[in-house]
Amino acid sequence: NAGVTQTPKFQVLKTGQSMTLQCAQDMNHEYMSWYRQDPGMGLRLIHYSVGAGITDQGEVPNGYNVSRSTTEDFPLRLLSAAPSQTSVYFCASSYFGQHTEAFFGQGTRLTVV
Amino acid sequence: GIQVEQSPPDLILQEGANSTLRCNFSDSVNNLQWFHQNPWGQLINLFYIPSGTKQNGRLSATTVATERYSLLYISSSQTTDSGVYFCAVLILTGGGNKLTFGTGTQLKVEL
Repeated sequence: NAGVTQTPKFQVLKTGQSMTLQCAQDMNHEYMSWYRQDPGMGLRLIHYSVGAGITDQGEVPNGYNVSRSTTEDFPLRLLSAAPSQTSVYFCASSYFGQHTEAFFGQGTRLTVV
Repeated sequence: GIQVEQSPPDLILQEGANSTLRCNFSDSVNNLQWFHQNPWGQLINLFYIPSGTKQNGRLSATTVATERYSLLYISSSQTTDSGVYFCAVLILTGGGNKLTFGTGTQLKVEL
């Protein structure tokens, strides 16, 4: 009964470092996505995937890479972290289509110093 | 793109009071969800409600898609209701399901 699992929960990076935020779901959902949440704002879409091998950009994709090699996993990569990427990151999954409910992971709080 | 506006932005209630949160959206949507972000930052699914009315305990929601708004009702509020309430609308794009979030209503319930 895990749902959407994100790791790590907290991370501090130095400017220029790279890291991967992990996301896994066990609901056999086709659609997975990454959002970032900044203070006073709602969530904004970074990247999404409609299935294994298919990814696309959301509204704020710069500085992030994604891949989808399996249905279950959708990692988010920061190749060279910048202070502007300090944020809380959420992974979500759902079935694909309009009659579908999205479920979110518990979030990763990332600080870039 | 679609605009999603929530009101009020902030709300302080005494425990036991009732409240109504509103979500307006600027275009037709395929779906709508309400979430509660608790003080620990977790996003909790409240309602999946493209149209009509649903109830879950002290919470209920109504979406009138033709008039482009949704309402979340909280009755007999408790301190555990504190947090931020988001509505998010779903639009099917050529490539996927895009959830657009409102900026939220920050609720604080006091004893």
